[in-house]
Amino acid sequence: ILNVEQSPQSLHVQEGDSTNFTCSFPSSNFYALHWYRWETAKSPKALFVMTLNGDEKKKGRISATLNTKEGYSYLYIKGSQPEDSATYLCASNRDDKIIFGKGTRLHILP
Amino acid sequence: NAGVMQNPRHLVRRRGQEARLRCSPMKGHSHVYWYRQLPEEGLKFMVYLQKENIIDESGMPKERFSAEFPKEGPSILRIQQVVRGDSAAYFCASSPSGSIRGNQPQHFGDGTRLSIL
Repeated sequence: ILNVEQSPQSLHVQEGDSTNFTCSFPSSNFYALHWYRWETAKSPKALFVMTLNGDEKKKGRISATLNTKEGYSYLYIKGSQPEDSATYLCASNRDDKIIFGKGTRLHILP
Repeated sequence: NAGVMQNPRHLVRRRGQEARLRCSPMKGHSHVYWYRQLPEEGLKFMVYLQKENIIDESGMPKERFSAEFPKEGPSILRIQQVVRGDSAAYFCASSPSGSIRGNQPQHFGDGTRLSIL
């Protein structure tokens, strides 16, 4: 993998359900993996910065895991709420460059 | 503590004009990054600057685009002789130290939407 890939591109989830999505990144020369939350008409806001293989981070109902050997990170949202509707971006620091994925657009259905 | 401030929020230019986008980083931040978001695309890195220095401009088009971060004042992204394809949202982010090789998240401004007529 040469680029940062996120899947799915878009996701509809019923309010109250839990969900997760994936960020795949180049595993060589890895420095850090960032997750951002981006609401429409606002600026991206940092959620997590992860650096170590096996890292797990948690903030409220949102958590993330990191596998640097195989080059993927999962973002989990437990008990989705309407305010979770946003685009979730991941970005990889590699070879002195930061590369963003195109994001997963999450829609929470009432 | 004010966040990253970008202005203007919206900028309309005619083909051939110049566009100047400004970014004031968060207080205490000395590292600035510029990104471009084209329709249906993600954020594309353009340039990384510290005060008075361009650290990495590998994402910047070779012609018509330039960036600076002077000792005093905001960072400026300048686009000369704009063309239709320059229409995009331009985001600025700042960090207290280099995110490259570092663990610092970037703090983003609300972006400037540039429209070329």
